[in-house]
Amino acid sequence: KAGVTQTPRYLIKTRGQQVTLSCSPISGHRSVSWYQQTPGQGLQFLFEYFSETQRNKGNFPGRFSGRQFSNSRSEMNVSTLELGDSALYLCASSIPRDRGASGANVLTFGAGSRLTVL
Amino acid sequence: AQSVTQLGSHVSVSEGALVLLRCNYSSSVPPYLFWYVQYPNQGLQLLLKYTTGATLVKGINGFEAEFKKSETSFHLTKPSAHMSDAAEYFCAVRERSNDYKLSFGAGTTVTVRA
Repeated sequence: KAGVTQTPRYLIKTRGQQVTLSCSPISGHRSVSWYQQTPGQGLQFLFEYFSETQRNKGNFPGRFSGRQFSNSRSEMNVSTLELGDSALYLCASSIPRDRGASGANVLTFGAGSRLTVL
Repeated sequence: AQSVTQLGSHVSVSEGALVLLRCNYSSSVPPYLFWYVQYPNQGLQLLLKYTTGATLVKGINGFEAEFKKSETSFHLTKPSAHMSDAAEYFCAVRERSNDYKLSFGAGTTVTVRA
């Protein structure tokens, strides 16, 4: 079965521009999470979507936003790009469990979209 | 809030030698625990996870990890390193009561010497 697909894999933008990244989850997975990976800050949680609703958000400025569509595909957008936004953006999908249910909700990650801001 | 500490940002081992990567977490309630591996220009791949039950967990590629509650640790081992094990390894935790967010350690880069 196909894995998590992220597009584009690589992109270069200049400061002040905006960017949209796309994520197609594994078929049947309804939860999509986004993470930012940088050499300085490591892996940091951006947000999580389920049933087209943002359920949780990390500590990032409002320039970072996202959405999820009815087919569970997700996009994230970064506006007014800054040099520090250069990073690998990782999407992960999962089948969310009811809160309180036993067992861990395992995330499957895509290969990422590497954004370079010049 | 959860925190994860990986001791050692770089580990170098000889091919055939033991690989030991250390991970400690801070939480009064044992969380779910994971190890992920990342190869260059790729995403994260799950190696293994601990949720409940047996504290020694076996994963893919010959890796295993042991959950020790008394030490709040979840160290990753592989008895015999292979050149293909060269990668970056991340320990991650997830609260049992908050099933949406992974908190990652800073990562450990493993190099394997021939």
